[in-house]
Amino acid sequence: DTEVTQTPKHLVMGMTNKKSLKCEQHMGHRAMYWYKQKAKKPPELMFVYSYEKLSINESVPSRFSPECPNSSLLNLHLHALQPEDSALYLCASSRNLGQSEKLFFGSGTQLSVL
Amino acid sequence: KQEVTQIPAALSVPEGENLVLNCSFTDSAIYNLQWFRQDPGKGLTSLLLIQSSQREQTSGRLNASLDKSSGRSTLYIAASQPGDSATYLCAVSPGAAGNKLTFGGGTRVLVKP
Repeated sequence: DTEVTQTPKHLVMGMTNKKSLKCEQHMGHRAMYWYKQKAKKPPELMFVYSYEKLSINESVPSRFSPECPNSSLLNLHLHALQPEDSALYLCASSRNLGQSEKLFFGSGTQLSVL
Repeated sequence: KQEVTQIPAALSVPEGENLVLNCSFTDSAIYNLQWFRQDPGKGLTSLLLIQSSQREQTSGRLNASLDKSSGRSTLYIAASQPGDSATYLCAVSPGAAGNKLTFGGGTRVLVKP
């Protein structure tokens, strides 16, 4: 299994809603990532987890709250988002944080904030 | 701050023609460079990863070269097919710890049958 699975594929939410994005991999990878990608722009790193601990937070607003409950799962909890947060949210994983490691990406969650 | 640029932003070629995609980066202190493919509204698929000590990597019809000192990489796709139509992104990994990729803006490729 070389897949990173993200759910849901599409999400529409209001600014007062609370929702969660989920990411799962069964490749035994110990590093997992959240990226945000606006239309026709490159992905931007948000968070990195290594061995279930938050390793990097790229100064992301607190309305985005990551969680890594175990080595296979990565969640992104969303609360009080703004319309400008609408984007494709991509999860990725790699064997570890070593710089020679390839990243495997999921298909993403297309988020629209109304 | 590392900046990664991909030129051209878009490219249209007839089927069978070879594709040449360019990537340049401002800080040569990189650990590796990766090329990804992205289909519309989808995630990224890693195509090739070149370590900073390597000059090129090959996989099937794909060949990527790296000239670290001049801050350039080129992705060659031989005998293009309509199925190669996608956006191609390059990304560099910094010399410091962690796998923090900096992406270029991508080249959108259309291969016409």
